[in-house]
Amino acid sequence: SQTIHQWPATLVQPVGSPLSLECTVEGTSNPNLYWYRQAAGRGLQLLFYSVGIGQISSEVPQNLSASRPQDRQFILSSKKLLLSDSGFYLCAWSRVDRGDIQYFGAGTRLSVL
Amino acid sequence: QKEVEQDPGPLSVPEGAIVSLNCTYSNSAFQYFMWYRQYSRKGPELLMYTYSSGNKEDGRFTAQVDKSSKYISLFIRDSQPSDSATYLCATSAGGTSYGKLTFGQGTILTVHP
Repeated sequence: SQTIHQWPATLVQPVGSPLSLECTVEGTSNPNLYWYRQAAGRGLQLLFYSVGIGQISSEVPQNLSASRPQDRQFILSSKKLLLSDSGFYLCAWSRVDRGDIQYFGAGTRLSVL
Repeated sequence: QKEVEQDPGPLSVPEGAIVSLNCTYSNSAFQYFMWYRQYSRKGPELLMYTYSSGNKEDGRFTAQVDKSSKYISLFIRDSQPSDSATYLCATSAGGTSYGKLTFGQGTILTVHP
């Protein structure tokens, strides 16, 4: 069966510090991968998606970037965090042929102080 | 106007009640409809997936889609305290190489014993 791992679960970072969140998927190959941000009371906002190694598409302009160095690894990064980057970050995967069915990781709660 | 509107609640019901959760959407191109359940501080879990109009039942859960009125519902029969969570509706038009989901804001449900 497929599993998705996301870490860390909680992170507190000072403003201006770098960020690296990692997500890995097991039990499947060539998945579509997604990064979302969830703000309180506001659904999920898609930040980035990837349909293959090195292929990253951004949905919204922001202080963040994403990379996919391996087939089942997806990384969310920032060079300098802003207060507004605080939130709940979720990684998700889907099969290439069933992009509408997405499976989420446990999420990372990021607090920028 | 948001593409998907969902009453954020909160909704509080006694154990055993029938719960009705609802969303409306504005884009007539949406044809895939999902319901996710999200426990506190966890990632969303896919509950129901339907295509086009109609009903789909899975145990105590029934998803209903009415494309003519752009209305989607999730019914929970014999609600249990373990059903207490945030419920997110999501839609997609399909037709892309990845899954572009549009989420509602989520409804917070509490089922009290």
